[in-house]
Amino acid sequence: RKEVEQDPGPFNVPEGATVAFNCTYSNSASQSFFWYRQDCRKEPKLLMSVYSSGNEDGRFTAQLNRASQYISLLIRDSKLSDSATYLCVVNYNQGGKLIFGQGTELSVKP
Amino acid sequence: DVKVTQSSRYLVKRTGEKVFLECVQDMDHENMFWYRQDPGLGLRLIYFSYDVKMKEKGDIPEGYSVSREKKERFSLILESASTNQTSMYLCASSLPLGQGNTEAFFGQGTRLTVV
Repeated sequence: RKEVEQDPGPFNVPEGATVAFNCTYSNSASQSFFWYRQDCRKEPKLLMSVYSSGNEDGRFTAQLNRASQYISLLIRDSKLSDSATYLCVVNYNQGGKLIFGQGTELSVKP
Repeated sequence: DVKVTQSSRYLVKRTGEKVFLECVQDMDHENMFWYRQDPGLGLRLIYFSYDVKMKEKGDIPEGYSVSREKKERFSLILESASTNQTSMYLCASSLPLGQGNTEAFFGQGTRLTVV
């Protein structure tokens, strides 16, 4: 079983749609959680951290369920510019080894 | 502006060659990472370094080694390149857990082709 698993998609949605991505992780010792965004032919960049209480940044909402070892990202009112691959990232143990999920591809259509 | 710099954007090497991929960061980060990214497989961790001369194997270390002689530089070495090592290689750096913002910053990637 992979340490961090995501549905690879692709998710094809119309502009204005709400879309949700899910991610599960296997190591209960995981301490920090993130969503990264990767545009085509570019390096990944941090979208947002994920806090235990859940957090929101504009149209983006991230949630963490430690009991189920599950992370989610909700995008409301999708824009064309949201088209990208979204990567779930888990930070482990001493030092902070970062493990990435395989990414979920999102395509927002007019 | 924070920066992680990889020495090459594109490399073509022959099977059996020894290949060095260099990565330099200017943020004084303790942690540095090497990943490879392949279609459908996402980013897979090759090696992780949490301090000078300290390293830890990732998920796919076979065929690779690393060197961290200085804090700012982390090198990935392919001892004898093979065609299945053709991939996009990404270097990243971050602060350790418990030291504030642990966001990872990536280099622009090196597209390596082994022929």
